[in-house]
Amino acid sequence: NAGVTQTPKFQVLKTGQSMTLQCAQDMNHEYMSWYRQDPGMGLRLIHYSVGAGITDQGEVPNGYNVSRSTTEDFPLRLLSAAPSQTSVYFCASTPGRVYETQYFGPGTRLLVL
Amino acid sequence: AQSVAQPEDQVNVAEGNPLTVKCTYSVSGNPYLFWYVQYPNRGLQFLLKYITGDNLVKGSYGFEAEFNKSQTSFHLKKPSALVSDSALYFCAVIPRGSGTYKYIFGTGTRLKVLA
Repeated sequence: NAGVTQTPKFQVLKTGQSMTLQCAQDMNHEYMSWYRQDPGMGLRLIHYSVGAGITDQGEVPNGYNVSRSTTEDFPLRLLSAAPSQTSVYFCASTPGRVYETQYFGPGTRLLVL
Repeated sequence: AQSVAQPEDQVNVAEGNPLTVKCTYSVSGNPYLFWYVQYPNRGLQFLLKYITGDNLVKGSYGFEAEFNKSQTSFHLKKPSALVSDSALYFCAVIPRGSGTYKYIFGTGTRLKVLA
């Protein structure tokens, strides 16, 4: 199994541009989530999904959209990038119960100029 | 507001000495508790978790953590530190019975093990 994969690894955007961060998992996990990691702030939950077709907002959802059309994929869309969205983004998946281990992808480093 | 605190930004310890990385939480009820580790330019990796039962939980790479309900703490420990343990450590909680998957992470503690 490849586990949780994320693309791209690094991206530079200009303010106002849009882009999609890709996340895929091949473990048939029900639950997937997106976090952003900023210095001194730990990981903050952006959006999560408990299954195909079901998504919900996390702590910092503004400026981001998600969809979950399949169990495997959970893309994160930046509609109009802002410098405040400069961060490292992690996708994670969990088998299905809230107390189970989260498996994290390698991350996407995003720089918005 | 529910929160997780890791009071030390960095912990320095000599190789071979015991280490402790502190975590306290403010969450309603008894939460599920987790420790994750992050090596440079990598995603987070699971170390251990407390679900129920024995308050002392043993995990990967010789790490253990003790759940203390009265002090609302879940400190990470290891009897003898290795240089390879140097990394960023995160404590995370999720309220039990919340019906959501809204994990709450601490801000992280950088562990530096000195040779």
